Amino acid sequence: ETGVTQSPTHLIKTRGQQVTLRCSSQSGHNTVSWYQQALGQGPQFIFQYYREEENGRGNFPPRFSGLQFPNYSSELNVNALELDDSALYLCASSSGLAGARGELFFGEGSRLTVL
Amino acid sequence: AQSVTQPDIHITVSEGASLELRCNYSYGATPYLFWYVQSPGQGLQLLLKYFSGDTLVQGIKGFEAEFKRSQSSFNLRKPSVHWSDAAEYFCAVGANTNAGKSTFGDGTTLTVKP
Repeated sequence: ETGVTQSPTHLIKTRGQQVTLRCSSQSGHNTVSWYQQALGQGPQFIFQYYREEENGRGNFPPRFSGLQFPNYSSELNVNALELDDSALYLCASSSGLAGARGELFFGEGSRLTVL
Repeated sequence: AQSVTQPDIHITVSEGASLELRCNYSYGATPYLFWYVQSPGQGLQLLLKYFSGDTLVQGIKGFEAEFKRSQSSFNLRKPSVHWSDAAEYFCAVGANTNAGKSTFGDGTTLTVKP
């Protein structure tokens, strides 16, 4: 059973650019949730994808968007990057919305630095 | 709106000593509560979770947590800390229909002295 994998692990962008982060969910999981973790803070919920549809969104602007593919892998896209977007972006997969009663499996994250 | 407060930003304990990390939550209904651990450069690993029933829950690595509804708390404990427990610990509250939309506290960093 493979775990949650994220790519790239590190990247540097400049203000105004666009970025795409990728996540492969754990085998058998059809739900992916994305979180932003700024330095010194806890993860903040960005949005969730369930069976290829967005299923809920946190307090993030529309320039944060995503996709989920038929194999349940997912992408997070951020347009018009701002300095405050610098953070660790975490992907978590689960089996269904209730996630086997809350069992979320996290990847190791993609660390984005915006200069 | 749901929220989580972890009052202690940083805790230092000696190896072999007991540990308690505090967590207070705000949630309008019966919460799902979680503790996660994050080592440097790693993702989050679930330590334990509470949904209902027995208010004392056991987790991995010898951790346990107690749910106290009257105090809106879910404190994490370990009787004897090992050096490998040094990490950052996050408490989270999730909807009972969708734990994927959890709200996390800002974490407590645990340092273990030899």
